[in-house]
Amino acid sequence: QVQLQESGPRLVKPSQTLSLTCTVSGDSIGSGGYYWSWIRQHPGKDLEWIGYFYFTGSTFYNPSLQSRVTLSADTSKNRFSLKLSSVTAADTAVYYCARARAGIHEFWGQGTLVTVSS
Amino acid sequence: EVVMTQSPATLSVSPGERATLSCRASQSVRSNLAWYQQKPGQAPRLLIYGASTRATGIPARFSGSGSGTEFTLTISSLQSEDFAVYYCQQYNNWPPITFGQGTRLEIK
Repeated sequence: QVQLQESGPRLVKPSQTLSLTCTVSGDSIGSGGYYWSWIRQHPGKDLEWIGYFYFTGSTFYNPSLQSRVTLSADTSKNRFSLKLSSVTAADTAVYYCARARAGIHEFWGQGTLVTVSS
Repeated sequence: EVVMTQSPATLSVSPGERATLSCRASQSVRSNLAWYQQKPGQAPRLLIYGASTRATGIPARFSGSGSGTEFTLTISSLQSEDFAVYYCQQYNNWPPITFGQGTRLEIK
């Protein structure tokens, strides 16, 4: 069974960079065939796709966040990461990592609430 | 960007009855449509992909239909554990992947 677990600071100051890591077990992110995804959910609101990391190193971003987002991976540690720069209170959300097959999000982490506040 | 619109925002149904949830895309997404269920404090769970294919372990009372711009999720006989928020998501035209705003299914 594939399992994903988000980790990282739960509190980030405005204008700083939000950094999260997703550790994967039960699958290898370097094995190909899947997109490794970040999705966020503002409190009580919609799901917003942030982007995909593909094992080749290709990345795909939501145009609304593209200027501030960087996705990367460390295949030796079987984990992938999200960096979101210049955060504001509007970036306060639950951040999920997930494994996607052709856009279908089959497995999700439990999510982590990140609050942007001074 | 493909905008996904779900209706109704809230649906009140009695246990044992049928629930029908709708999702509309602003342009054709063919059959590249998924449905997710989310319970409070949990991550979304994949129910349906390809508009009508149940994901592994999903009970047969969940069914999806539609193609193009109009889609439906039907739960044939509601169980207590089915009361949750349901989201549709298109993966035909991306980036970006886009989700609907959700339908809250509540006990009547």
